[in-house]
Amino acid sequence: AQKITQTQPGMFVQEKEAVTLDCTYDTSDPSYGLFWYKQPSSGEMIFLIYQGSYDQQNATEGRYSLNFQKARKSANLVISASQLGDSAMYFCAMREANQAGTALIFGKGTTLSVSS
Amino acid sequence: DTGVSQDPRHKITKRGQNVTFRCDPISEHNRLYWYRQTLGQGPEFLTYFQNEAQLEKSRLLSDRFSAERPKGSFSTLEIQRTEQGDSAMYLCASSLGAGFTGELFFGEGSRLTVL
Repeated sequence: AQKITQTQPGMFVQEKEAVTLDCTYDTSDPSYGLFWYKQPSSGEMIFLIYQGSYDQQNATEGRYSLNFQKARKSANLVISASQLGDSAMYFCAMREANQAGTALIFGKGTTLSVSS
Repeated sequence: DTGVSQDPRHKITKRGQNVTFRCDPISEHNRLYWYRQTLGQGPEFLTYFQNEAQLEKSRLLSDRFSAERPKGSFSTLEIQRTEQGDSAMYLCASSLGAGFTGELFFGEGSRLTVL
C-alpha cells in the first residue's frame, strides 16, 4: 500500500532564507505522481507543485522546487526566499498510476513558521 | 467565483443528529472527492465520484457515512447518527481527467462539531 511520511512536525525559518520540507514515500508502482499542497490557517488546500515519477528534471514553480530522489523515494519541497505568508501547513501527497481513479494520499504534514 | 464551494462552512450539531454537507465542484470537472481532516493531520480520503458514479467508497468510515452525486454535478455527504468522533473538517475536491497527474482543487471545507 502506498504511504507518505513527513517526519518534521514543525519547521522554523527566518524571512528570506530557504527551507526544505522532507517527504518520503513508499510504492511498488513504477508510475506515480507526487504533489505538495499548502494549507494556511484559513483551511483551503492550495496546490504548489507536481513531480511525475518519470520526469527527468526536478519540478520548479516560482520559489518552490521539488528535490526528487527516486532511488531514495524522497520528494522534498524546497522553498527559497521564505516570506511571512509562507507560514502554513504543508502536505506531501502521492497518487499511483494504477490507481489513477483514486484520490491523493496525504502525509501528516509539516507546520512551517516564518519569522521576520 | 468558479472554484469548489462547500456549504455549510460550519455546522454544530448534537450527538445522534444527522448532518449533510454539499459540495459544488468546478463546473467542467468530472471527478469529485471527499476527504476528512482532523486537527493536526493530513486529509484522509473517504470516497470519490466520476460523473455520477461512485467509484470508490470502501474508505467511508462507517455505514453512517454516505455520499451522492445524483446528476454528476454537485455532491452531498451525509453522516447519520453523528458521534463526537465525527468532529472534523470535511473537504471536497474536484479534478478533470483520468490521468494520475491531475491536481485536485479543494474547497474551503465544512467544519463539523458534534456536541
